[in-house]
Amino acid sequence: EAQVTQNPRYLITVTGKKLTVTCSQNMNHEYMSWYRQDPGLGLRQIYYSMNVEVTDKGDVPEGYKVSRKEKRNFPLILESPSPNQTSLYFCASSLSPGGYRSYEQYFGPGTRLTVT
Amino acid sequence: KQEVTQIPAALSVPEGENLVLNCSFTDSAIYNLQWFRQDPGKGLTSLLLIQSSQREQTSGRLNASLDKSSGRSTLYIAASQPGDSATYLCAVIKAAGNKLTFGGGTRVLVKP
Repeated sequence: EAQVTQNPRYLITVTGKKLTVTCSQNMNHEYMSWYRQDPGLGLRQIYYSMNVEVTDKGDVPEGYKVSRKEKRNFPLILESPSPNQTSLYFCASSLSPGGYRSYEQYFGPGTRLTVT
Repeated sequence: KQEVTQIPAALSVPEGENLVLNCSFTDSAIYNLQWFRQDPGKGLTSLLLIQSSQREQTSGRLNASLDKSSGRSTLYIAASQPGDSATYLCAVIKAAGNKLTFGGGTRVLVKP
């Protein structure tokens, strides 16, 4: 089954304790990205990756890091989490856009993170 | 800066009535528009994707139209069912990029 998976699904942690949220897709997609969803602010892009070893900032990258060492995986790293990073996080993937066409994006089930 | 708006923010209809959900965007230079469904506390499920060269897409009871020149898309859900209760989000991809810019969503309740 074609899917995007995220782990963990729920996480409660304390300020300053480094954490990683994993994202994996089995569709051989080049493009992957991370979003956060907050009440009243909607979904906002954190980072994205056009392919292996190619990453770039989205709209709200502060406090986050990413890496893309393999095509299928795109982990989100919070090196020193703070309470304002409490949010619902989504990973997404798609085929790489080209020319005047872009492709349907598929989302993971979400990771609910609470930082106390 | 691209802005995407969905009005109304919430909608309640009796079962069987057709649903009409609106999405407007400020910059017509888009590659495509995608409609999603989100159930409470869950992920996003892609419903329909409309490329900028298309005017509409259909899937079962769902039909989405796109009018780039006026910056509007409409999602129609025929003969609504209680299982259609969810939040519906539209998102656009601007030319020369793959970032989705989302609207705030319309929360739909279909009453039995």
